[in-house]
Amino acid sequence: GQQVMQIPQYQHVQEGEDFTTYCNSSTTLSNIQWYKQRPGGHPVFLIQLVKSGEVKKQKRLTFQFGEAKKNSSLHITATQTTDVGTYFCADQQGGSEKLVFGKGTKLTVNP
Amino acid sequence: DAGVIQSPRHEVTEMGQEVTLRCKPISGHNSLFWYRQTMMRGLELLIYFNNNVPIDDSGMPEDRFSAKMPNASFSTLKIQPSEPRDSAVYFCASCFVGGGWAQETQYFGPGTRLLVL
Repeated sequence: GQQVMQIPQYQHVQEGEDFTTYCNSSTTLSNIQWYKQRPGGHPVFLIQLVKSGEVKKQKRLTFQFGEAKKNSSLHITATQTTDVGTYFCADQQGGSEKLVFGKGTKLTVNP
Repeated sequence: DAGVIQSPRHEVTEMGQEVTLRCKPISGHNSLFWYRQTMMRGLELLIYFNNNVPIDDSGMPEDRFSAKMPNASFSTLKIQPSEPRDSAVYFCASCFVGGGWAQETQYFGPGTRLLVL
């Protein structure tokens, strides 16, 4: 079945540094959703990208969908300790309600 | 809105016992998903329902796992008999899928942390 690859698996940064996680697929992605899971918590929806080349911003977070719809990225500018958690991308398999999740990138921020 | 409600929040049981996890989706949502999360395998979709009907159960590990959705406001995931390798966090999520193609946001419950000894 479809696989959504996410890198890196772990990322440790100093507070104030930037952070980026990447989501890739060998097949065309349908639409991408990004979720954040705090330690001990549950995944919480952040944003959805649908169009090729789409860029969306939420404060310090920038989300991009590749032109070929085979990759997506989440970039956090000037990380804060509140950004700690695991960030997941998920692709909606075309024509169904099913989401295929990447393995996530676990972000830790050193104050 | 109370969000997705799951019970119990924590379950510790012995190998061979039956385990039943419960989920109440957000009112008005018509799709419900059961996920399992482990360090090794990440977040895996086990089964999902649309309008109370199971649509895709290809992620259910084996016959020991079963799920039901008798009505729009309640679903169960049962493991019988349980094994230590079933230890994981089980999440229930719900969303509304309308006439459009792009899926709506999935709202996750707090999860059930299951430990099988």
